[in-house]
Amino acid sequence: KNEVEQSPQNLTAQEGEFITINCSYSVGISALHWLQQHPGGGIVSLFMLSSGKKKHGRLIATINIQEKHSSLHITASHPRDSAVYICAAIAGGGADGLTFGKGTHLIIQP
Amino acid sequence: KAGVTQTPRYLIKTRGQQVTLSCSPISGHRSVSWYQQTPGQGLQFLFEYFSETQRNKGNFPGRFSGRQFSNSRSEMNVSTLELGDSALYLCASSQPGQQQISHGYTFGSGTRLTVV
Repeated sequence: KNEVEQSPQNLTAQEGEFITINCSYSVGISALHWLQQHPGGGIVSLFMLSSGKKKHGRLIATINIQEKHSSLHITASHPRDSAVYICAAIAGGGADGLTFGKGTHLIIQP
Repeated sequence: KAGVTQTPRYLIKTRGQQVTLSCSPISGHRSVSWYQQTPGQGLQFLFEYFSETQRNKGNFPGRFSGRQFSNSRSEMNVSTLELGDSALYLCASSQPGQQQISHGYTFGSGTRLTVV
């Protein structure tokens, strides 16, 4: 059974700061998913990674398959980035659904 | 392109009752997966359907069941509701073979179920 650990659990930062959220998993996966959840529950898919690095606007996601670790970075953070960020692992074959981390509650203060 | 539609958005039920939740996937998506989110356990995988067949099931009791119709719409059912079933229930649609691309999963807004 895959265990997915996220850190930190809570993070409060000032507008403009560089943010890093970490995700570690225990067994081999085929891909890792970063999700953003705003108050009210809606979930948005940010990235799906199986290797290397992806960038979209101010968001950067990296994954190290050998170390079973992924990071989500936010550059020039803004109060609208305040949300819960969740990583989710897809086991090999993609047929086992998603195993989720507990999430990181991010607050960006103006 | 319409997103994933979940109905109803909110639901209040009494212990012992049963409930049915609906999820309509993005047009062309044939895979639907269901998840439960609670403050204590976070997000947990319930089950996944593809072409009307359950492909995988999470670690939930048999009171939780689902099905998928020929138009890919899916329903999940919870029988003999317990207080602990109060949660946000989310579904996501995807297209097998594309689950590993960015935005491969599209989530609905969820159904918030309260059991009293």
